[in-house]
Amino acid sequence: DQQVKQNSPSLSVQEGRISILNCDYTNSMFDYFLWYKKYPAEGPTFLISISSIKDKNEDGRFTVFLNKSAKHLSLHIVPSQPGDSAVYFCAASVQGAQKLVFGQGTRLTINP
Amino acid sequence: GAGVSQSPRYKVAKRGQDVALRCDPISGHVSLFWYQQALGQGPEFLTYFQNEAQLDKSGLPSDRFFAERPEGSVSTLKIQRTQQEDSAVYLCASSRGVQRANEQFFGPGTRLTVL
Repeated sequence: DQQVKQNSPSLSVQEGRISILNCDYTNSMFDYFLWYKKYPAEGPTFLISISSIKDKNEDGRFTVFLNKSAKHLSLHIVPSQPGDSAVYFCAASVQGAQKLVFGQGTRLTINP
Repeated sequence: GAGVSQSPRYKVAKRGQDVALRCDPISGHVSLFWYQQALGQGPEFLTYFQNEAQLDKSGLPSDRFFAERPEGSVSTLKIQRTQQEDSAVYLCASSRGVQRANEQFFGPGTRLTVL
């Protein structure tokens, strides 16, 4: 069973506009969430994270929102830039555990 | 280099062959992870080391998969009698902490193709 789901395999956004990537989870024991970005032939690189005690975390152009009651998180990128074109993975972990559970990924394409 | 390195980057094996994949984590990182990423999917956890101790191997798909980190630094993932379903990218990650799922730094992966 897929505990972390990214239901949109792809997303296309115009440069300068907002990109919103979504992620849903089913395990209520998850208490820490992360977003990773992946370019082809490279490993995922960490973008931003959020603890379950918060509902928002911001870092420059990137903001992650967490809605625990809906078991939903989203990543907002404003403004979107061509270099943001990549595959984005959300990941989650259970308190006390080290391993990450990943979603399937969303391919973001920023159009000039 | 300062990042996680993996070798080889690409490996082609005949079905039934044994393979060994190497991971060099970031110096000083206590935690080391192996993940398997099938085409079009997200990484899936295989195993976790804290220094030389393998604390979680719940994700290893079968007893053909074996991982070690004998001196708490370099790690090797070994797959015996490879099968076509083992074809995937194998990612190694390391992190400095042990308290929780800290930010994990990933290597570029080894793409394994089993013919």
